[in-house]
Amino acid sequence: KAGVTQTPRYLIKTRGQQVTLSCSPISGHRSVSWYQQTPGQGLQFLFEYFSETQRNKGNFPGRFSGRQFSNSRSEMNVSTLELGDSALYLCASSLPSGVDDEQYFGPGTRLTVT
Amino acid sequence: QKEVEQNSGPLSVPEGAIASLNCTYSDRGSQSFFWYRQYSGKSPELIMSIYSNGDKEDGRFTAQLNKASQYVSLLIRDSQPSDSATYLCALISGDSSYKLIFGSGTRLLVRP
Repeated sequence: KAGVTQTPRYLIKTRGQQVTLSCSPISGHRSVSWYQQTPGQGLQFLFEYFSETQRNKGNFPGRFSGRQFSNSRSEMNVSTLELGDSALYLCASSLPSGVDDEQYFGPGTRLTVT
Repeated sequence: QKEVEQNSGPLSVPEGAIASLNCTYSDRGSQSFFWYRQYSGKSPELIMSIYSNGDKEDGRFTAQLNKASQYVSLLIRDSQPSDSATYLCALISGDSSYKLIFGSGTRLLVRP
């Protein structure tokens, strides 16, 4: 079974621009979560989607948004990029419904903001 | 106080030894705990999940959970140089079943 895929793998943007990252979950997984990983802050939760609904959101500014499509694929968007947004953005998927399901990560998108 | 605490290491062990990685947490409402392994430049890989007090074994890995002491550990038996990585402890937040909270990770170095 194919794992979680994320595109693009690497991205370089300039301050003020916006970016959209994409995530395709493991087949059959309907929950998709997004995380940001930086050397200083570690892994931090951004938001989680299930059946096209955002069920939880982390402590990030409104510039960070996401959505999920009917096929469970998800996108996240960051508008008005800042230098501090440079990070590894990770998507994780888990099985349908249920709570406390194991989350499996994709390879991540490395975003560099200059 | 951080929600999930780990010693950053590095923890250095010789090949073939037992590596013991520890994690403490502050949220007594947390019920689900996970260990991830992350190689440099790669994404986290799930190793173990544990939900009940006691030990859970999977191959060379044993996870231990003590909810009363708010303590989770991971033992790696017969450590190999390929086990050298950062090990992340994570839990599901007690107030949200969809949010993983991670520790900062312990770097493990297995010496040949």
